[in-house]
Amino acid sequence: GAGVSQSPSNKVTEKGKDVELRCDPISGHTALYWYRQSLGQGLEFLIYFQGNSAPDKSGLPSDRFSAERTGGSVSTLTIQRTQQEDSAVYLCASSLGLASGGVGFTDTQYFGPGTRLTVL
Amino acid sequence: DAKTTQPTSMDCAEGRAANLPCNHSTISGNEYVYWYRQIHSQGPQYIIHGLKNNETNEMASLIITEDRKSSTLILPHATLRDTAVYYCIVRAFTGANSKLTFGKGITLSVRP
Repeated sequence: GAGVSQSPSNKVTEKGKDVELRCDPISGHTALYWYRQSLGQGLEFLIYFQGNSAPDKSGLPSDRFSAERTGGSVSTLTIQRTQQEDSAVYLCASSLGLASGGVGFTDTQYFGPGTRLTVL
Repeated sequence: DAKTTQPTSMDCAEGRAANLPCNHSTISGNEYVYWYRQIHSQGPQYIIHGLKNNETNEMASLIITEDRKSSTLILPHATLRDTAVYYCIVRAFTGANSKLTFGKGITLSVRP
């Protein structure tokens, strides 16, 4: 079946502009995650959605970053007034989520190809 | 989640088995061992996970020691396409947020 898709694959923007990154999770996956990978850095968690709610936004680096999810499916990560330090690959992952719950169950995350953001 | 320790890099010859070690001495009883890999310029790819029993799938085998303080990912017949960064992650599912915490991983280079 179709995996996680992200768009655009590449985005070049000028400092100070706003950008929107889109993630389409695997059909039926209720959990969705955003991560970021900067040059020379590891993957860092940004935000987690269960359904349309975001119980954990602890990884968002500043209030310029926000995300929403509608219809329990597509998610958009918005970065306002972009800065050069926002340049990174933004990765989305999805998993079955709490709907798959049970004793001893695991919830494997599957990643999309990422969006490479370059802020000039 | 428990912290993991992996060597920085290793290499192996094409066609040979690649054995990637991981230490997780502080692992708790409800924490799983997960392996992901990231091929250059791609998103991380799930490989395998386990709790205490050895696991095998079409990609790899996961050997977890009896005390669960370490594990080894085995790629039985490495190919050039297996060159990637491999991440060993220990994680408990809390029911509220099962985010993955990635370390630096181990860079595997498969040579012809």
